[in-house]
Amino acid sequence: KAGVTQTPRYLIKTRGQQVTLSCSPISGHRSVSWYQQTPGQGLQFLFEYFSETQRNKGNFPGRFSGRQFSNSRSEMNVSTLELGDSALYLCASSFGTSGPQETQYFGPGTRLLVL
Amino acid sequence: GNSVTQMEGPVTLSEEAFLTINCTYTATGYPSLFWYVQYPGEGLQLLLKATKADDKGSNKGFEATYRKETTSFHLEKGSVQVSDSAVYFCALSESYQKVTFGTGTKLQVIP
Repeated sequence: KAGVTQTPRYLIKTRGQQVTLSCSPISGHRSVSWYQQTPGQGLQFLFEYFSETQRNKGNFPGRFSGRQFSNSRSEMNVSTLELGDSALYLCASSFGTSGPQETQYFGPGTRLLVL
Repeated sequence: GNSVTQMEGPVTLSEEAFLTINCTYTATGYPSLFWYVQYPGEGLQLLLKATKADDKGSNKGFEATYRKETTSFHLEKGSVQVSDSAVYFCALSESYQKVTFGTGTKLQVIP
């Protein structure tokens, strides 16, 4: 069974630009969550999508947005990039139907560098 | 809000030493608890989990017991190997897929 895939793996952008990251979940999984990982703040929850609807949201500004398609693939967009957005962005998938005890499966991440 | 506190690293151990990584949590309800591991250059992998009080999660020689009375979920392994070198994250979840992570503890095992 193929794992969670994320594209691209590495990205370099400049301040003010926007970026779109993509995540393909494990086949059969309908929930996709996004996390930001930085040395200073650690791992922080961005949002979760289930069946094309945002079901949970973390405490990030509106510059961070996402969407999910009917095949469960998800994209995350960051507009007006700031230096502090440099991070590893992780995507995780799960079935999304068994509550908080459900295991999430993580992709390898997209490393974004903002110059 | 929810929070997870785990011991600062890095932790350096000799091969075959006993490992303990402390983790305590604050939650408004009754969360599920997890330990994830991140190897260099990779995403997170679930190591073990526990979903109710006194549950013991175990995997690959690692164990952790859900202690509601002390709000703790300490990770232990009796004999570490060089291949266990990684960053370990304690985490909790109270709602669908919204996971709160600790800051991570880097473990380095030397031969």
